[in-house]
Amino acid sequence: DTAVSQTPKYLVTQMGNDKSIKCEQNLGHDTMYWYKQDSKKFLKIMFSYNNKELIINETVPNRFSPKSPDKAHLNLHINSLELGDSAVYFCASSPGGAGTYEQYFGPGTRLTVT
Amino acid sequence: AQSVSQHNHHVILSEAASLELGCNYSYGGTVNLFWYVQYPGQHLQLLLKYFSGDPLVKGIKGFEAEFIKSKFSFNLRKPSVQWSDTAEYFCAVKIYNQGGKLIFGQGTELSVKP
Repeated sequence: DTAVSQTPKYLVTQMGNDKSIKCEQNLGHDTMYWYKQDSKKFLKIMFSYNNKELIINETVPNRFSPKSPDKAHLNLHINSLELGDSAVYFCASSPGGAGTYEQYFGPGTRLTVT
Repeated sequence: AQSVSQHNHHVILSEAASLELGCNYSYGGTVNLFWYVQYPGQHLQLLLKYFSGDPLVKGIKGFEAEFIKSKFSFNLRKPSVQWSDTAEYFCAVKIYNQGGKLIFGQGTELSVKP
């Protein structure tokens, strides 16, 4: 019954590798987001998709490429991983973007780059 | 640039003490306001939200917050904390017509001593 799910929960990899994180929501929401939480627990928006269309791209390096195959899924692919990419990545969803909606967060994916 | 500031980085209280966590934002237009809680090792959960109407909003687990527009503030309160309230608390702002992204404060770690 998980509303927003992410896989994997933990990801340990070496610098230079390419990895993907997957997110799925079963809430029927139209909008999905990726946030990055750094080591100081600061959360920052990375991307947002509304109905498979990219609507927010917040000055994220182009090594990060989101993909939304349908409105229930938003995946994050990261090329050439760097040490600074180590963080917890949270997926979220909401019924819409700009309206009075709250966002529902997934459990997070802890990425460690060595 | 819009920003959210949480006044306290780490708050330590004894059980039954009263709690107030400060949150200020810098934006003069229409906003939606949120408080999220992150228990150790878990995802973010919504405590309460303000969209419009009564500026005093009540959330889950006995939390409430007051929106004071003139002070650009949305402080979180609880009259009597419990050990189980130990967590990280995040204030967040959604600015109207910016695609629905949440701008988070830096978080306040609350430790409640039994």
